[in-house]
Amino acid sequence: DTEVTQTPKHLVMGMTNKKSLKCEQHMGHRAMYWYKQKAKKPPELMFVYSYEKLSINESVPSRFSPECPNSSLLNLHLHALQPEDSALYLCASSQLDGSYGYTFGSGTRLTVV
Amino acid sequence: AQSVTQPDIHITVSEGASLELRCNYSYGATPYLFWYVQSPGQGLQLLLKYFSGDTLVQGIKGFEAEFKRSQSSFNLRKPSVHWSDAAEYFCAVGARGGATNKLIFGTGTLLAVQP
Repeated sequence: DTEVTQTPKHLVMGMTNKKSLKCEQHMGHRAMYWYKQKAKKPPELMFVYSYEKLSINESVPSRFSPECPNSSLLNLHLHALQPEDSALYLCASSQLDGSYGYTFGSGTRLTVV
Repeated sequence: AQSVTQPDIHITVSEGASLELRCNYSYGATPYLFWYVQSPGQGLQLLLKYFSGDTLVQGIKGFEAEFKRSQSSFNLRKPSVHWSDAAEYFCAVGARGGATNKLIFGTGTLLAVQP
């Protein structure tokens, strides 16, 4: 299995809602990532997990809360988002040092209304 | 900290013509280098990667890239472009080693293909 699976593919949520994005990989990778991509922009790193522990938080607002329950799963909990948070959210995984490359999921298209 | 520059925001080529997309990186050591392609509304697909060894790297869909340390460049090439190659192309650099591993993207080059 050489895929990263993200669910849901599309999500519309209100500013008072709580929702979660899910990401799963079965490649034995011990590093997992969340990226945010606005239209016509490159992906921007949000969080990095190494061995299920948060190793990098790129100064992301607390309304985004990541969680790594085990080595295969990565969640992103969303609460009190703003319309400007609407974007494509991409999950990726890799070996710890990035060797052999980074595998990306197809993303969750989030719209905040 | 590593960074990536893609000087061409938008490129238009004719179908069948050759293509070269430019990428320059900044990193204190030899980096991991990648090219990804993204079609509208889709995720990122890895075209090719460079870690070490042969500086000319072959990828999928007929793409290749050459790592030039002296120029800090990793340009993507294709000898004959197909209409299906129209997409956004991102060069990326990965920091090596440890728990602070991250992949940083360039701003992207949007490729349009004319019939």
